[in-house]
Amino acid sequence: GENVEQHPSTLSVQEGDSAVIKCTYSDSASNYFPWYKQELGKGPQLIIDIRSNVGEKKDQRIAVTLNKTAKHFSLHITETQPEDSAVYFCAAGFSGGGADGLTFGKGTHLIIQP
Amino acid sequence: DSGVTQTPKHLITATGQRVTLRCSPRSGDLSVYWYQQSLDQGLQFLIQYYNGEERAKGNILERFSAQQFPDLHSELNLSSLELGDSALYFCASSVGGRWNTEAFFGQGTRLTVV
Repeated sequence: GENVEQHPSTLSVQEGDSAVIKCTYSDSASNYFPWYKQELGKGPQLIIDIRSNVGEKKDQRIAVTLNKTAKHFSLHITETQPEDSAVYFCAAGFSGGGADGLTFGKGTHLIIQP
Repeated sequence: DSGVTQTPKHLITATGQRVTLRCSPRSGDLSVYWYQQSLDQGLQFLIQYYNGEERAKGNILERFSAQQFPDLHSELNLSSLELGDSALYFCASSVGGRWNTEAFFGQGTRLTVV
């Protein structure tokens, strides 16, 4: 089955700086890569996703890049703000469905220092 | 508010017991997914139902079972509970049955087995 590795497990950045979280996946059949943000006491919330026919996608301060050859994808947050503090999860899956569903990384705890 | 409702929010029970977790999906969503979140295993996909039928199965133990009813709400049944089953259980819903449709998560049920 799919295996997703996520790094780092904790990331502390100064407010206003950029944050980068990296993930690798193992199954070349995976073609859907969402990123979720989980705040304390809440369920994960989709913040951005990318499909394998696209190399980069941006949404305001958030961008995701995908390198299918190397099987890795990254989340970039620019001009970080206190409300960006949360746990971020990457995931990989095959959009045709299947027994493995979406496989999640272990999460990155992002801390924005004032 | 994601529109996905999970009850109860907290549950404390003894080993060997059986519990039922309930999920009401967003209005109009046909798919329901169940996930287990623990500190050491992260977010693990358990099972997906689409319009009443089982669609995909992940790392769900034989002691666990789920179903989706005609009104599309879903229940996750956990039996012969062990200490290791203590975790956050999330339900998510989406319009379609494929993984490339956005899934909205509920706030979770925290299960503590003592």
